[in-house]
Amino acid sequence: QKEVEQNSGPLSVPEGAIASLNCTYSDRGSQSFFWYRQYSGKSPELIMSIYSNGDKEDGRFTAQLNKASQYVSLLIRDSQPSDSATYLCAVNGGSNYKLTFGKGTLLTVNP
Amino acid sequence: DAGVIQSPRHEVTEMGQEVTLRCKPISGHDYLFWYRQTMMRGLELLIYFNNNVPIDDSGMPEDRFSAKMPNASFSTLKIQPSEPRDSAVYFCASSSGFPTDTQYFGPGTRLTVL
Repeated sequence: QKEVEQNSGPLSVPEGAIASLNCTYSDRGSQSFFWYRQYSGKSPELIMSIYSNGDKEDGRFTAQLNKASQYVSLLIRDSQPSDSATYLCAVNGGSNYKLTFGKGTLLTVNP
Repeated sequence: DAGVIQSPRHEVTEMGQEVTLRCKPISGHDYLFWYRQTMMRGLELLIYFNNNVPIDDSGMPEDRFSAKMPNASFSTLKIQPSEPRDSAVYFCASSSGFPTDTQYFGPGTRLTVL
């Protein structure tokens, strides 16, 4: 059973701080990694994708991937109250094409 | 584009009744996915289609669940008979190029089985 693990949180940070969200996965053959944001009562929306080891930056968001450690993270700089949501890590396995989601980390940014 | 469209948005039914959820993917997308989300189990892939053909249905929980995609613009997920443990939010998503392309999610159908 391929697994994607995330801390459920809640993770609480003050406005303007850096929020760090972490995810580990069990399938070494995984090739594609995604971070989705889900506001309460809404559907997931993609905010970052990463396919190679290292960092990928997009505005205030940075995704980090370490395939050797089977670890992917999301950093949110200058956190805003509007960033308060559940962040879902998703992994595409190399041996099949299913997208496996973690259960998500609830982030709260306090004004 | 209108995005992925799902109907109904909310469904309340009694145990034993048949439930049909509907999805219209984004035009031009050739992959369609059905997910179920609960607090206990998170977001789980039930089945996905490529060019209207079911590719992997190993996530379908049991024979009470069935899914069809009769054409490129329409898919259904049916539960017959429904049970209280089927209560969840069911999302449909579409993509133009799995596995690396973005999956776009519909607004979901919140199903409550009494």
